[in-house]
Amino acid sequence: TQLLEQSPQFLSIQEGENLTVYCNSSSVFSSLQWYRQEPGEGPVLLVTVVTGGEVKKLKRLTFQFGDARKDSSLHITAAQPGDTGLYLCAAVYNFNKFYFGSGTKLNVKP
Amino acid sequence: DTAVSQTPKYLVTQMGNDKSIKCEQNLGHDTMYWYKQDSKKFLKIMFSYNNKELIINETVPNRFSPKSPDKAHLNLHINSLELGDSAVYFCASSQADRSSNYGYTFGSGTRLTVV
Repeated sequence: TQLLEQSPQFLSIQEGENLTVYCNSSSVFSSLQWYRQEPGEGPVLLVTVVTGGEVKKLKRLTFQFGDARKDSSLHITAAQPGDTGLYLCAAVYNFNKFYFGSGTKLNVKP
Repeated sequence: DTAVSQTPKYLVTQMGNDKSIKCEQNLGHDTMYWYKQDSKKFLKIMFSYNNKELIINETVPNRFSPKSPDKAHLNLHINSLELGDSAVYFCASSQADRSSNYGYTFGSGTRLTVV
């Protein structure tokens, strides 16, 4: 059983479409991070969210941390082929335990 | 300049062999990690070192032994390799221990294939 569940597991869309991926847990996070991993490379940190209800934007990417700090979402507007990759959430629990989610594999077709 | 570099990138070896993976970071971070990513892309922490001291040692077979000669280096030695050890191994570093909000900087991974 995964502590952090991500959905959907796979997503294939056309360039220009919008999408949202989700990261959910039954436990409260201290903080949460989102990473993108491209084939043959390590994950790269996109953002860290700390406060419940927090929203952060990174160009066409919008990250939201749930009010209860048990969930988060990543919304991409007008997806581009360069957004293709594996999106991973990672959460800190009780300030000293760190877990990665199961990942969402995104494919954006030109 | 590569921030976290690990070698080799690919490693193919026979069952029963002993192999090492090396990792170096030039970010001045105090904490370094080894993660294993399985075929389903799930990342699981194996070890963490803070300033050369082991602080996290998850349930990993004794055949895996990390060594940190200084805070910029964390190597992983694996004895008696088994088929199930095949995976991608990532080295990472961070500014503090894993309770911080700074996030990790990952290396590009070592794909280990045991045949």
